[in-house]
Amino acid sequence: QSVLTQPPSASWTPGQRVTISCSGSNSNIGSNFVYWYQQLPGTAPKLLIYRNDQRPSGVPDRFSGSKSGTSASLAISGLRSEDEADYYCATWDDSLSGWVFGGGTKLTVL
Amino acid sequence: QVQLVESGGGVVQPGRSLRLSCAASGFTFSTYSIHWVRQAPGKGLEWVTVISYDGSNKYYADSVKGRVTISRDNSKNTLYLQMNSLRAEDTAVYYCARASLSSVWMKGFFDSWGQGTLVTVSS
Repeated sequence: QSVLTQPPSASWTPGQRVTISCSGSNSNIGSNFVYWYQQLPGTAPKLLIYRNDQRPSGVPDRFSGSKSGTSASLAISGLRSEDEADYYCATWDDSLSGWVFGGGTKLTVL
Repeated sequence: QVQLVESGGGVVQPGRSLRLSCAASGFTFSTYSIHWVRQAPGKGLEWVTVISYDGSNKYYADSVKGRVTISRDNSKNTLYLQMNSLRAEDTAVYYCARASLSSVWMKGFFDSWGQGTLVTVSS
């Protein structure tokens, strides 16, 4: 069972806006930055959002991140078929003295 | 560009040892902390360990503490993961990932990843 809680799956149609949640606690999300990673099938994870809401260069502005208290969210607007992937949130946990990931959300674009 | 190439994976019997390597290029290896992250088949990501830029500090996940040692050779631009007393639950793809520069070194996030090396623990 993961320290950070994400919905295991989400299914949306092209063009729609989807939001993926990530719930934690005071020792992790509540006191540290949140990061989001995209993992396409058969590939290594790729950084999507850093420090809660920052996009690395090359990541489309269709992707956005936010954080409030002990929860964070990843939003994807104008959904495309190539967005079909697994999405993970991650952060440092002060109590565990280590990094923790969400269980991942498998996004299916119908 | 940043490149991380893992090697050393394979099939190993339970209780045996294995050493993974991660060869880095395209950046000044000796100034970055580096993580190991693993992913069991069909499962999510699990952080394993991180080492500071000079090798003097390390953190480990509880699931591997005491069985795994991270080390680095900055003269060879290479990171290592020594895994002992391997168990079936250690079966996973092991990724090395560069940590972003951060004022709190162990909180540097995973900004570049290798392609991973598969470790299978089975008799």
